[in-house]
Amino acid sequence: DQQVKQNSPSLSVQEGRISILNCDYTNSMFDYFLWYKKYPAEGPTFLISISSIKDKNEDGRFTVFLNKSAKHLSLHIVPSQPGDSAVYFCASGSGGYQKVTFGTGTKLQVIP
Amino acid sequence: NAGVTQTPKFQVLKTGQSMTLQCAQDMNHEYMSWYRQDPGMGLRLIHYSVGAGITDQGEVPNGYNVSRSTTEDFPLRLLSAAPSQTSVYFCASSYLQGALHFGNGTRLTVT
Repeated sequence: DQQVKQNSPSLSVQEGRISILNCDYTNSMFDYFLWYKKYPAEGPTFLISISSIKDKNEDGRFTVFLNKSAKHLSLHIVPSQPGDSAVYFCASGSGGYQKVTFGTGTKLQVIP
Repeated sequence: NAGVTQTPKFQVLKTGQSMTLQCAQDMNHEYMSWYRQDPGMGLRLIHYSVGAGITDQGEVPNGYNVSRSTTEDFPLRLLSAAPSQTSVYFCASSYLQGALHFGNGTRLTVT
């Protein structure tokens, strides 16, 4: 039973354009959501997070949007750069940051 | 500041062998955890600890043991390796209200 779903295994975007990565969740108890970025042969690194009391959070080129009624969140990267090419994991949890549930990941390729 | 260090980077085991995956962090984080990453499955939580002497099971704990005798170290033990445990293992740590910091992983193959 996948509580966090990333339905697009891969995404290709031209450099300079917007990348939109999507994530759906089923557990209404989740109260925070995170995005992690992973390069090959490295561990995931934290990118950006959002609390369930917000609907948007920005950090430079990265913006996360949360639609609680649809149980959907998205990560926007503008403008996309070749160095953004990586696997992006959506993650969710409740209470403390323990027992975070991860999605299956979306591989982003930014084409120069 | 090394962050989260995992050893070894690669390991091949035969079915039935035992081994310990090491994880150490130097950030004085209370929380540590182990995940496994399998194709199409994302990262799944194996075991976690909220402090020295305290451990609990995650989503996929069977076949694995952990202990937390110090704040810094959180080893993962495979008692009798099985081919189903072939995976990439990630250790992570955080403050109790902080985002996870991951190590670079151990790639384990069980033949």
